[in-house]
Amino acid sequence: AQSVTQLDSQVPVFEEAPVELRCNYSSSVSVYLFWYVQYPNQGLQLLLKYLSGSTLVKGINGFEAEFNKSQTSFHLRKPSVHISDTAEYFCAARTQGGSEKLVFGKGTKLTVNP
Amino acid sequence: DAGITQSPRHKVTETGTPVTLRCHQTENHRYMYWYRQDPGHGLRLIHYSYGVKDTDKGEVSDGYSVSRSKTEDFLLTLESATSSQTSVYFCAIRDMGLRWDYGYTFGSGTRLTVV
Repeated sequence: AQSVTQLDSQVPVFEEAPVELRCNYSSSVSVYLFWYVQYPNQGLQLLLKYLSGSTLVKGINGFEAEFNKSQTSFHLRKPSVHISDTAEYFCAARTQGGSEKLVFGKGTKLTVNP
Repeated sequence: DAGITQSPRHKVTETGTPVTLRCHQTENHRYMYWYRQDPGHGLRLIHYSYGVKDTDKGEVSDGYSVSRSKTEDFLLTLESATSSQTSVYFCAIRDMGLRWDYGYTFGSGTRLTVV
C-alpha cells in the first residue's frame, strides 16, 4: 500500500527567505504526485502535480517541486516566501494504473514571519 | 472551477442521530470522493465513487455509508453520529478526460460537530 510522509509538521521562516517542504512517498509501483495548499478556513487548492515527463514541476504562486524517483521524494520549494504564503501544505500520491485513491500526508504548516 | 457544492457548510448534531452530507457537481465527473480532515491526520479517505451506484471504501469507512444515485450527487451518511466523527468533511472530484488529468478538485468543506 502506498503512503506519504511529510517530514516536518511545522516550518517557520522569515519573509523573503527560501523554503523547502519535504515529502517522501512509499509505493511498490509508479505514482502520480501532488501538492495542495490550504489557507485558513478554506478548502484545498492544487499547487502543482507530477504526472510524467520533466522531474521539475512548476506550479502557482512561484512554487516548484522536484520528483526524485531514487529517493522517493517530491519536495516543494520556493526561493522567496511572502507573508501570504502562510498556510498548510499537503503532499499527496496516487498509484498509476491502479487504485483511484489519493493518499495524503499529514500536512506541513508553513508560517512566514515578518 | 469544477462546480462542486457541499451542503450544509456547518452542522451541529447530537450523538446517535443520523446525518447526511451532500456533494453536488455540475460537470459530469465520474470519480467523486469523501475525505475527513482532522488536526495531525491530514486528509483521510472515507469512501469514493467511480460511477452511479459504484462505490468503494477508503481507509476510515467505519460508521459511514455513501450513495450515488445520480452522477451529480454523492451523499455521505453517518448512520448514528458519534463525537469521534466531529471533523471537517471535504468532497472532491477527479477532473480528467482522454487526454488530460487536472487532478483532484475539492469542495469548500462541511464542518460537522457532534455533541
